[in-house]
Amino acid sequence: GQQVMQIPQYQHVQEGEDFTTYCNSSTTLSNIQWYKQRPGGHPVFLIQLVKSGEVKKQKRLTFQFGEAKKNSSLHITATQTTDVGTYFCAGRGTGGFKTIFGAGTRLFVKA
Amino acid sequence: EPEVTQTPSHQVTQMGQEVILRCVPISNHLYFYWYRQILGQKVEFLVSFYNNEISEKSEIFDDQFSVERPDGSNFTLKIRSTKLEDSAMYFCASGYDYEQYFGPGTRLTVT
Repeated sequence: GQQVMQIPQYQHVQEGEDFTTYCNSSTTLSNIQWYKQRPGGHPVFLIQLVKSGEVKKQKRLTFQFGEAKKNSSLHITATQTTDVGTYFCAGRGTGGFKTIFGAGTRLFVKA
Repeated sequence: EPEVTQTPSHQVTQMGQEVILRCVPISNHLYFYWYRQILGQKVEFLVSFYNNEISEKSEIFDDQFSVERPDGSNFTLKIRSTKLEDSAMYFCASGYDYEQYFGPGTRLTVT
């Protein structure tokens, strides 16, 4: 079945450093979504990418969807302590409703 | 801003008992989902619901599970005979399109 791999599992950064998490699907996706989950909280929708090669920006966050629609990345520039949490990618296969989440990358930011 | 709500926030039950987890999705949303997250692990898709019927379900969603939308606002997940391994956070989500807005979750503890 469809699998979504995400790396790294953890990332410790100093405040001001950049951070990137990568997501790879075993099958072509119709779209990919990114969520942030704070400790003890629920996943919060960040963005959705649909088109091959799409790049979207939200302030310090840059999201990319690969040309083959099988991989994606989230890059945070100049991390802040408010960025701490776990970032999940979630992919949906073509023609279905099932959304497969990656294992998440937990970001720790040291002030 | 409208939010997905879930009740109860925490449910403790004995093995073999039935539980019903309740969700009120955002009112104009068309797609409804249930996910679970075992502590410290990734979010796992259980089921999606559209147009008053199940649109897709995972292998986790076996005969012990059922969903209902008994009226225009509520969306429920029933577990008929709980097992220890059902202990997890259960999230309801709803969406108008691909994006999904998660509720705060119900922590289910099976003893």
